[in-house]
Amino acid sequence: ETGVTQTPRHLVMGMTNKKSLKCEQHLGHNAMYWYKQSAKKPLELMFVYSLEERVENNSVPSRFSPECPNSSHLFLHLHTLQPEDSALYLCASSPNPQGADEQYFGPGTRLTVT
Amino acid sequence: GESVGLHLPTLSVQEGDNSIINCAYSNSASDYFIWYKQESGKGPQFIIDIRSNMDKRQGQRVTVLLNKTVKHLSLQIAATQPGDSAVYFCAENMRGSARQLTFGSGTQLTVLP
Repeated sequence: ETGVTQTPRHLVMGMTNKKSLKCEQHLGHNAMYWYKQSAKKPLELMFVYSLEERVENNSVPSRFSPECPNSSHLFLHLHTLQPEDSALYLCASSPNPQGADEQYFGPGTRLTVT
Repeated sequence: GESVGLHLPTLSVQEGDNSIINCAYSNSASDYFIWYKQESGKGPQFIIDIRSNMDKRQGQRVTVLLNKTVKHLSLQIAATQPGDSAVYFCAENMRGSARQLTFGSGTQLTVLP
């Protein structure tokens, strides 16, 4: 266990649904991340939160909406997704909000959009 | 066995042999590198990291080598075990690009009995 949990582990949703992914870290870290992992492609960074403020948004479509209510929790709200959004969504955290260091990943949510 | 992670996505080795997984990075300004292991159905797991002021770092059964001249990173696993079967990928952080790791596409390591 890495100290980062994600729920649900699997999610199937239609294109008109609204759902949310949840991430919680028990490590006392100050930065949290959302990544998308598609088959045979590198991890794609979606969002970065540092000390509860969004500091990176890598041209992610507005149908993905992140929320970070506190330094331990991170959500990804989903609405009107497309089939190509089906992927493994990974949450990660790291101790240092300023510099680069090791990121600890959760197990991911396997999302299927039908 | 040896593999260029970005061009040969699979590597098979016999149990007990040493494994070498390679990664070519593109940005000469990168100053921090990590190797991750991802088993099926799980998130990536940190293996070892190295900063650009070093050219070698050792962990338990693993060694990372950094050659900044040719922008090459390798992960050596000693006495490979069945539990080492996974996808391995490298990540780099560019100096001045705080918090942003750029990931490679990975190499699938299969350990044969």
